[in-house]
Amino acid sequence: SYVLTQPPSLSVAPGETATISCGGDSIGTKSVHWYQQRPGQAPVLVMVDDDDRPSGIPDRFSGSNHFNTATLTIARVEVGDEADYYCQLWDSGTLHWVFGGGTKMTVL
Amino acid sequence: QMQLVESGGGLVKPGGSLRLSCAASGLDLTYHYMIWIRQAPGKGLEWVSYISHNSKSIYYADSVKGRFSVSRDNNKKSMDLQLNSLRVEDTARYYCARGGGLDHYFALDVWGQGTMVTVSS
Repeated sequence: SYVLTQPPSLSVAPGETATISCGGDSIGTKSVHWYQQRPGQAPVLVMVDDDDRPSGIPDRFSGSNHFNTATLTIARVEVGDEADYYCQLWDSGTLHWVFGGGTKMTVL
Repeated sequence: QMQLVESGGGLVKPGGSLRLSCAASGLDLTYHYMIWIRQAPGKGLEWVSYISHNSKSIYYADSVKGRFSVSRDNNKKSMDLQLNSLRVEDTARYYCARGGGLDHYFALDVWGQGTMVTVSS
């Protein structure tokens, strides 16, 4: 089965830049999406097809996907960005929706 | 307001059954696939099942295959998940989500708030 690997946690100071990675075999050939899940809330889509922001998502959020790593970057981090972030793709080999294990971002 | 609302969760004994429902309001589901995702307490997101816009394609995660069954009614703008032979490890919050279009590659653009299923003796 296809596996997506994320770092479990990340700490960043307000105003700094956060970079969250999502590793997978030749992930650069696939469409990767990212979700933000604030404590006690449902996930919200924050990045579509590697690097496309849905309506309402600040331009501080950006994404990229090359070779074996997809990346979500959050510039000028705010306290309100503190959340768990999940990468996700659809694996045509197994016909499964695959999620990364999630990265808990703490804003200190 | 565009939203999905899940219902039907609760406490059930191992081996028991539950039926979850997902209702859409202010939201079109006709040309969208739908999926169920669950999240065990303190854990990450796990895909559970998929149903195509016209119910002709249905997939399940290996962990629930043969025990769970998904269906949808586009006229009622709803989707159900029948959970049978429940196990302790099925304990989780169950979310329904809408795919952004027909194709599997579309992201999950709308999520419900989830319904909690607890399997315990």
